[in-house]
Amino acid sequence: DGGITQSPKYLFRKEGQNVTLSCEQNLNHDAMYWYRQDPGQGLRLIYYSQIVNDFQKGDIAEGYSVSREKKESFPLTVTSAQKNPTAFYLCASSRDQLTGGLNSPLHFGNGTRLTVT
Amino acid sequence: GQSLEQPSEVTAVEGAIVQINCTYQTSGFYGLSWYQQHDGGAPTFLSYNGLDGLEETGRFSSFLSRSDSYGYLLLQELQMKDSASYFCAVLRGGKLIFGQGTELSVKP
Repeated sequence: DGGITQSPKYLFRKEGQNVTLSCEQNLNHDAMYWYRQDPGQGLRLIYYSQIVNDFQKGDIAEGYSVSREKKESFPLTVTSAQKNPTAFYLCASSRDQLTGGLNSPLHFGNGTRLTVT
Repeated sequence: GQSLEQPSEVTAVEGAIVQINCTYQTSGFYGLSWYQQHDGGAPTFLSYNGLDGLEETGRFSSFLSRSDSYGYLLLQELQMKDSASYFCAVLRGGKLIFGQGTELSVKP
């Protein structure tokens, strides 16, 4: 079955360490996204990529970095510069750039819950 | 800019009908989507409205009025499994911007 795989499900790090969250999709989707979700909150866009080797900042990109070297993979690095990194991170993909929600809805992975102490 | 407003919590009983409203303020509006998220899980796509009117998908319907910058999700014949968070989202510039979410609790 096609889908999006995020690993690991839970991740613990010490403050000051960089950490990379994995996101892989086998849906052959062009576009991929990273969202952050805090308790009781909505999803906030961190970075997105509409095509390989290209990506754009979302609304809360500070303290994060991404790469898109392969169509299937869009890893997110949470750097030590991110002041409040503890959160639930969701990766998503869509067939193409979201020009029409019905034709290209977001497919989400199951998320990585990052705890930094 | 963009902002979306939806109620934080809604409670209803099994078998009832519930409506979750969403108002938005955004430039370059291209459509309103709805997603469902069970606790700790992945959000899943429910519906999309690009034009005014009602879209029906089984027990769920979604409505959009672009002149009022308003939409709603209607859930009929509520079941316990419908207890979840529901997010409206607007499509703008190739990005999906989400509201804060409405937590729906279905009681027996």
